[in-house]
Amino acid sequence: AQSVAQPEDQVNVAEGNPLTVKCTYSVSGNPYLFWYVQYPNRGLQFLLKYITGDNLVKGSYGFEAEFNKSQTSFHLKKPSALVSDSALYFCAVRDSGDLFGNEKLTFGTGTRLTIIP
Amino acid sequence: DGGITQSPKYLFRKEGQNVTLSCEQNLNHDAMYWYRQDPGQGLRLIYYSQIVNDFQKGDIAEGYSVSREKKESFPLTVTSAQKNPTAFYLCASSMQGTVEAYEQYFGPGTRLTVT
Repeated sequence: AQSVAQPEDQVNVAEGNPLTVKCTYSVSGNPYLFWYVQYPNRGLQFLLKYITGDNLVKGSYGFEAEFNKSQTSFHLKKPSALVSDSALYFCAVRDSGDLFGNEKLTFGTGTRLTIIP
Repeated sequence: DGGITQSPKYLFRKEGQNVTLSCEQNLNHDAMYWYRQDPGQGLRLIYYSQIVNDFQKGDIAEGYSVSREKKESFPLTVTSAQKNPTAFYLCASSMQGTVEAYEQYFGPGTRLTVT
């Protein structure tokens, strides 16, 4: 079974500082990994994904994520935080080894990111 | 939120009533999904459909039902058997493939309150 953990419910960062939102995963095969962002009372917006290849993935709004297979992690990062980055962030995983070709994603519980002016 | 519409945005029902949430997409996606979001629990999969006239139970299907008669539409019915129906419901869709892993696109959500 696939699973994903976001160990921090809340992350506070000063505006202009680098930010990191942590995610670890567990799958039986190779992982497909995703990050989404949610603003209040809205649906989720796709930020970036890792399928294969370069471990550093770049996405929307200046975000990037680093895939680390040995640590089974996929942390979301941004070099300089903006107040507008304040939102709820979700990590998700899909197991590429699923024999039935299921497209199911398993989501973490979310991390609320607050950027302090 | 582009391409997927959910209606209504807010829905209020009395306990014991069935209620149907609408989800429509114009992205020509084969796969569609229903999630439930509760504070502190993230998103949990209710049902998903990879092709018209076929759907599978997700992790928390009890008390819910779906249909997929058209590619564009995937309505969710919350039945009176669902013990805690008050939640934020999200519909999503994605392309389908065995090689590429496609991201899911989400609708704006429906907040259901049952009293």
